[in-house]
Amino acid sequence: DIQMTQSPSTLSASVGDRVTITCRASQSISSWLAWYQQKPGKAPKLLIYKASSLDIEVPSRFSGSGSGTEFTLTISSLQPDDFATYYCQQYESYSAVTFGQGTKLEIK
Amino acid sequence: EVQLLESGGGLVQPGGSLRLSCAASGFTFSPYAMSWVRQAPGKGLEWVSSISGRGDSIYYADSVKGRFTISRDNSKNTLYLQMNTLRVEDTALYYCAKGPPFNYWGQGTLVTVSS
Repeated sequence: DIQMTQSPSTLSASVGDRVTITCRASQSISSWLAWYQQKPGKAPKLLIYKASSLDIEVPSRFSGSGSGTEFTLTISSLQPDDFATYYCQQYESYSAVTFGQGTKLEIK
Repeated sequence: EVQLLESGGGLVQPGGSLRLSCAASGFTFSPYAMSWVRQAPGKGLEWVSSISGRGDSIYYADSVKGRFTISRDNSKNTLYLQMNTLRVEDTALYYCAKGPPFNYWGQGTLVTVSS
């Protein structure tokens, strides 16, 4: 199975900061990568699919990049609503979809 | 508006069975792959199983293979997960999701396996 490793596990930042979360795949997944945001007690929300395509109504301060084995999620200017846990997910192989372990974005 | 509504969760003893359902509305159900994703208390997301739109391609995580069965009834716009031989480590909130990628999620149904 393809393993997904996110870093960091926890990130402390302030409103207005630019932050980047990294996700590495154990083998090439081309651009078959998605990013999700999850807030406590809520279902995850799709932010980005195919590594860099923004889902509907996702603010433009979110962006994704990368291909192959290394990917990043960037938030250009943190807003109070962005403090949450973020997960990457590979879907190169529908037979074994895998998530990263998550990155908790906290208020500094 | 797309809605996914899970049901069927509850408390069950180890070795027991449960059947989860997910009623879909607001989109044309049959062409799309559907999946189950779970989240143990305080833990991350774990993909459980996916099924193609026609139901002819089915995939499972190794952790549930041979114990869980995914199915769908396109005439009823409903996704199912039959869970047998349940273990304590299957305790989680089970989400139904459209995809992958998962652009719509239900609110989840809680499965607790405990004696």
